[in-house]
Amino acid sequence: DTAVSQTPKYLVTQMGNDKSIKCEQNLGHDTMYWYKQDSKKFLKIMFSYNNKELIINETVPNRFSPKSPDKAHLNLHINSLELGDSAVYFCASSQEPGSSGNTIYFGEGSWLTVV
Amino acid sequence: SQQGEEDPQALSIQEGENATMNCSYKTSINNLQWYRQNSGRGLVHLILIRSNEREKHSGRLRVTLDTSKKSSSLLITASRAADTASYFCATDRQGWGKLQFGAGTQVVVTP
Repeated sequence: DTAVSQTPKYLVTQMGNDKSIKCEQNLGHDTMYWYKQDSKKFLKIMFSYNNKELIINETVPNRFSPKSPDKAHLNLHINSLELGDSAVYFCASSQEPGSSGNTIYFGEGSWLTVV
Repeated sequence: SQQGEEDPQALSIQEGENATMNCSYKTSINNLQWYRQNSGRGLVHLILIRSNEREKHSGRLRVTLDTSKKSSSLLITASRAADTASYFCATDRQGWGKLQFGAGTQVVVTP
């Protein structure tokens, strides 16, 4: 009964490959996010979708393309992987934003290593 | 750039002691959230405190917020070995879920 689940948990791939990370939430939330945690543990938001629509798009290379087939899923596709893409990618979800503070629930993370 | 900065960066205490960590931020906020991350795991939400609140409790956790000083503190009372983790504060400026995280405080609780 995992709330926010993402797959795969670990991914090792070569430079230049294209890979996807899938995320699903069963909390009935309207908003989903992708965050990136680098090797120094800094967490930074990448994208946010509300009801399948993109609402936050930080300065992320366009090799990263999120796709939301429905509001319970937000997948992250990465083209032409580079060494610097190695990080932990966290999917998260919350109720509709705009109200005075929503708890954001995170998945367990996907450890991406580009070699 | 990081919005929040935690202090200290690392904290080592013995079971039963209290652990206090602080978070400072730079701009006005809608709310501030504290998370715990165990090694190799995801983020677990601990407490959300809104900008019009000054203090919140949850079990052994106590969070304060001083918007005039742009700072927050997290107190863990009667710590346990299971509290060993990294603790992050995250600010949400507008309530849209765009969290800006600090670098975290690594807490080690020894039996």
